[in-house]
Amino acid sequence: SYELTQPLSVSVALGQTARITCGAHNIGDKNVHWYQQKPGQGPVLVIYRDSSRPSGIPERFSGSSSWNTATLTISGVQAEDEADYYCQVWDIRTGGVFGGGTNLTVL
Amino acid sequence: EVQVVDSGGAVVQPGGSLRLSCAASGFIFDDHAMHWVRQVPGKGLEWVSLINWDGTSTSYADSVKGRFTMSRDNSKNSVYLHMNSLRPEDTAFYYCAKEGTYSSGWPYFDFWGQGSLVTVSS
Repeated sequence: SYELTQPLSVSVALGQTARITCGAHNIGDKNVHWYQQKPGQGPVLVIYRDSSRPSGIPERFSGSSSWNTATLTISGVQAEDEADYYCQVWDIRTGGVFGGGTNLTVL
Repeated sequence: EVQVVDSGGAVVQPGGSLRLSCAASGFIFDDHAMHWVRQVPGKGLEWVSLINWDGTSTSYADSVKGRFTMSRDNSKNSVYLHMNSLRPEDTAFYYCAKEGTYSSGWPYFDFWGQGSLVTVSS
């Protein structure tokens, strides 16, 4: 089965840049999507198709993907960005595949 | 405004059955596939199932295949997840999610419900 690997946690100082990675074999050949989830809430889409930002998502959220790694970048991190982040792809054999999630801590 | 509201979560005994419901509004419902995604409390997300726009095609994760059935009623802007032979490991929050408009063969989920808790325990 296709597996996505994320770091368990990332810490970043307020106002700095956070980068959350999602690793998998040839992930650059797939469309990668990213979700933010805060405690007690449902996930929110923050990036789709590698680098597109949905309406209402701040410009500080961006995404990229190449070869074996996709990256969610949050520039100028705000306190409200503290959350869990999940990457996701679609696999033709198994369906939706999520990474294990990364907890972002804002210092 | 797009809204997705899931409901029906409950405590069920192992081997029991339950039906979850999801009501959607704010978009052309029968233009979009819909999905269920679940999350064990404190753990990560797991995709569960998909139904296409008119209900003629469904797909399931191996972990639920043969036990869960997804259906939809476009006249009611609703989808359902029928869960049979429930196991303790099915205990999770279940989220209904709308498939993104620009999926083009790479589905993503652009609006999610708030989650319904299913607890399988004796």
